[in-house]
Amino acid sequence: SQTIHQWPATLVQPVGSPLSLECTVEGTSNPNLYWYRQAAGRGLQLLFYSVGIGQISSEVPQNLSASRPQDRQFILSSKKLLLSDSGFYLCAWSGEVVNTEAFFGQGTRLTVV
Amino acid sequence: AQTVTQSQPEMSVQEAETVTLSCTYDTSESDYYLFWYKQPPSRQMILVIRQEAYKQQNATENRFSVNFQKAAKSFSLKISDSQLGDAAMYFCAYRTDTGTASKLTFGTGTRLQVTL
Repeated sequence: SQTIHQWPATLVQPVGSPLSLECTVEGTSNPNLYWYRQAAGRGLQLLFYSVGIGQISSEVPQNLSASRPQDRQFILSSKKLLLSDSGFYLCAWSGEVVNTEAFFGQGTRLTVV
Repeated sequence: AQTVTQSQPEMSVQEAETVTLSCTYDTSESDYYLFWYKQPPSRQMILVIRQEAYKQQNATENRFSVNFQKAAKSFSLKISDSQLGDAAMYFCAYRTDTGTASKLTFGTGTRLQVTL
C-alpha cells in the first residue's frame, strides 16, 4: 500500500534561518507531488506541484523553493525564513490519473520566531 | 487560472439535521474533477466525495451527497443526519490535467460546527 511520510512534525526556527522540509512517498511510482501551506484558520494555499523529477511548478512567488531530486521525494526549502512563513505545511501526492484523490502527509507546523 | 471559492467561513448544524456547504469554481476547462475533503482537528485530510465533470449524476457517499451544477460552476456538499464527528473544516477542491501540468486547487474552507 502507498504511504506518505512528512517530517518534521513541528519546527521552530529563527527569522533568517534556512528551512528544509522533506516528504517521501512509498508504494507508488511517478506520483504527482504537492506542497501546500495552511495559515491559522485559513485554507490550503498551493505552493508547488511536480509531475516528475526535476519538474517543479510554482504557484506563489516568495522566498520558498521546492525540489524533486528523486521520483518519490519532494523537498521544500528556504534560504532565509520570514515571520510570514509560519504556518502548517502539508505535502500530498496523487496518481497520474486525474480522478484519483490526493493523499496527505501529517503536516509540519512551522513557527518562525 | 482556476479558482475555487467557498463563501461560508463557518456553518453550524444541529445533530441529526441537514446542512449544505457551498462551493463555486472558475475554469475554462471542460474536463475536470471536483472533490470535497474533510479536515478534523487532527489536521489529517480525508476525502469525503468526488465528482467527475462529465457525469451528470450527482455523486453520493452514504450521508454525503453533492449538487453539481456544471453550467453554474457550482459544487455544493450536503450532509444529512449530521453527527458530532462531522465537525471539521471542509475543503472543496478542483483538479484538471493540462498536458504536463496537474494542479489540485483548494478553496479557503468552511468550518462546520455540530451542536446537540
